[in-house]
Formats: sequence, C-alpha cells, structure tokens
Amino acid sequence: AQRVTQPEKLLSVFKGAPVELKCNYSYSGSPELFWYVQYSRQRLQLLLRHISRESIKGFTADLNKGETSFHLKKPFAQEEDSAMYYCALSHSGNTPLVFGKGTRLSVIA
Amino acid sequence: DSGVTQTPKHLITATGQRVTLRCSPRSGDLSVYWYQQSLDQGLQFLIQYYNGEERAKGNILERFSAQQFPDLHSELNLSSLELGDSALYFCASSRTGANVLTFGAGSRLTVL
Repeated sequence: AQRVTQPEKLLSVFKGAPVELKCNYSYSGSPELFWYVQYSRQRLQLLLRHISRESIKGFTADLNKGETSFHLKKPFAQEEDSAMYYCALSHSGNTPLVFGKGTRLSVIA
Repeated sequence: DSGVTQTPKHLITATGQRVTLRCSPRSGDLSVYWYQQSLDQGLQFLIQYYNGEERAKGNILERFSAQQFPDLHSELNLSSLELGDSALYFCASSRTGANVLTFGAGSRLTVL
C-alpha cells in the first residue's frame, strides 16, 4: 500500500536558517510526488511537484528513489514560509493523492 | 469567484443524523475529490468523480455516499452520524485528474 510519512509534526527554525521538511514514502513503483501548503487562513494549494523540477518561493524538492524520500528544502527561511506543509504521492497521473499528516513550519524572527 | 466552493462552512449536528455537504468545482474542472481531515490525521481520500462518474474510491464508510451531478457539482452525504465523523471535509477539483488539485475552504462538521 502507498504511504507517506512526515516524521515531524512541528518544525521551528529561525529566519534566515535553512529548512528541510522531511517526507518518506512507501511505494514500489514510480511515484509522482507533490508538496502542498496551507498558509494561515488560506486554502490548501500546490507548492511544487517533482516532475516539474522547479523552485517555487525558493523551495526545492528532489525525489530520491533509493531512499524513498522527497524532502522539501529552502536555504534561507522567511517568516512568510510559516505554514502547514503536506507531502503527497500518486502512483500515476490519474490516481488520487495520498497525503502525509503534515508538518507545521514555524519561522521565528 | 471561479475557485472551489463548499457549503456549508460549519455544521453542528447530533449523532444519528444525516447531513449533505456540497461542492462546486472550479470552472472547467471535471474531476471532484472528497477528503476527510480528522484530528491528528492527515487528509484521507474518500472518493473521486470524473464528469459524473465515480472514478476512484478510498476509505469511505458505507454510511457515506457521494455523487456528481450533470452541472458537475458534487454532494457528499453522511448518514447515521457518529462522534468520530467530526472532521473537516475538503472538496478539491482538477481539470484532468492529474493531481494538480484546487481545494475548497472545507466544511467543518461537528457531531455532538
């Protein structure tokens, strides 16, 4: 069965410090991985997807099939990055996403 | 607003009752997804519809049912409600089912 694990419920970092939000998955095939984000009083929205290989708001994520991970990284955290982050997996473009339980990122000024 | 619209925003009801949650997808989107978010749980996939037909089913209880209408809006029906059904229910839509989802604001259900 597909599973997404986000080991940290809460991650607090200082402004300007590097951020790494961990995501591990279990799936034997070739998954599609996503990061969704929910800022305070806003709706859940797509942040990035691994097939796009792009950087959004300074965040990047690399799919590591050997370690079955898709960690989200940013070199210098900003206060506006404080939000709830969800890692999600799909085993094909048309199958529903399986979400992790989320990590709340708090960036301290 | 051409985003995903969910009604009601909040709903308080008693055990044993039945409620209907409604979702209007983003304009042009054919797929609708329902997710449940309980305390300490992530987003649990319930069911997906594509252009009026059920496409995928997740951990949806038999007491729950859904449908998508010809105008593409969807309803999630929850019956014989239990305390444990208290949760935030999200609807999301996508154009092609390709998992780039647009989420609604959610309907918060409280069962007393």
